[in-house]
Amino acid sequence: KAGVTQTPRYLIKTRGQQVTLSCSPISGHRSVSWYQQTPGQGLQFLFEYFSETQRNKGNFPGRFSGRQFSNSRSEMNVSTLELGDSALYLCASSHDQGLAGGGIQYFGAGTRLSVL
Amino acid sequence: DAKTTQPNSMESNEEEPVHLPCNHSTISGTDYIHWYRQLPSQGPEYVIHGLTSNVNNRMASLAIAEDRKSSTLILHRATLRDAAVYYCILRDGGYTGTYKYIFGTGTRLKVLA
Repeated sequence: KAGVTQTPRYLIKTRGQQVTLSCSPISGHRSVSWYQQTPGQGLQFLFEYFSETQRNKGNFPGRFSGRQFSNSRSEMNVSTLELGDSALYLCASSHDQGLAGGGIQYFGAGTRLSVL
Repeated sequence: DAKTTQPNSMESNEEEPVHLPCNHSTISGTDYIHWYRQLPSQGPEYVIHGLTSNVNNRMASLAIAEDRKSSTLILHRATLRDAAVYYCILRDGGYTGTYKYIFGTGTRLKVLA
């Protein structure tokens, strides 16, 4: 069974631009979560989607948004990029339950975004 | 806000047991405690999770305090491949509205040959 696939692996953007990152979950998984990882802040939860609905959300500004499609694939978008948005963005999928419900998340390798 | 507290780093000799502690005094009543680890240049990978009772799997054991305010991940025989950053994770939020998941700062485990 294929794992979680994130595209692209690397991305370079300039301040003010917007970016869209893609995540294909493991087949049969309906929950997708997104995380931001930086050296200063560590791993921070962005949001979680389940059956096309946002189920949980972290403390990020509205410039960060996401969506999930009917085939469970997910995208996250960051508008008006800032230098501080440079990070590794990780996607994780789980079958049904989120972490708190005992679900196990499987992570992709991430998309490394550099904002110049 | 919920918070997890872990030591920044720990060292262990190869083939010896390692106990990685995590304090999570604000954990909600029915939330699971998860442990993940992240090897260099990889996404985090699942290690173990539990609710109230101690748990064992092929990778590790998880000891959960009776009051659930702390837990300890136990690697019975550390190998060089276990060198990673270990995170304990819990959910923050009430029982209405949405939640967020809190990763602690993680413990960087160094295994000495």
